[in-house]
Amino acid sequence: DTAVSQTPKYLVTQMGNDKSIKCEQNLGHDTMYWYKQDSKKFLKIMFSYNNKELIINETVPNRFSPKSPDKAHLNLHINSLELGDSAVYFCASSQDFGLAGGDEQFFGPGTRLTVL
Amino acid sequence: GQQLNQSPQSMFIQEGEDVSMNCTSSSIFNTWLWYKQEPGEGPVLLIALYKAGELTSNGRLTAQFGITRKDSFLNISASIPSDVGIYFCAGLLNAGKSTFGDGTTLTVKP
Repeated sequence: DTAVSQTPKYLVTQMGNDKSIKCEQNLGHDTMYWYKQDSKKFLKIMFSYNNKELIINETVPNRFSPKSPDKAHLNLHINSLELGDSAVYFCASSQDFGLAGGDEQFFGPGTRLTVL
Repeated sequence: GQQLNQSPQSMFIQEGEDVSMNCTSSSIFNTWLWYKQEPGEGPVLLIALYKAGELTSNGRLTAQFGITRKDSFLNISASIPSDVGIYFCAGLLNAGKSTFGDGTTLTVKP
């Protein structure tokens, strides 16, 4: 059973296009996240949702819009893609929010986005 | 914002050797986490630490939460080829927001 799944695994697109990445977790967790990992492997948090509500929104261009239709899903939509958006995007989930023992995050396999 | 300094940046070791890496911060954290990322995969949690001074083991891995709450280390004993990957530390102070170190890339030569 896949705990945190993302689709697609690879996404190649042209500059200026709009694309979406989907994430689903079957762990029953309350909190979901999106991270960006650049070519140097640095992991930076972008967004966090707890019970479908936006909790963390780091300094991310507003071309990036997360959407959480329910607790098990957190999708990432990106408008007007730019070359600098090329990276690996990871979805993650955790059981609780702010409770000791609940912050451990389970990561999806990643979506490699290449903008040409 | 909070910054984590993870060192070393990379390590090349022989199979059977012990490995040590650490993370330091100028500010305190309430939780330290250690993850391993293999090529083409997402990070996987190895060890979680919740209390200053805590020492926790997971098989050949041992991690400690520094007394000052500003650092943590991870040791791997008797390394094997499948230990290769990128090891990330992460510190948490505020709810849900992990600050990740820049990773230590480990290469193990058979």
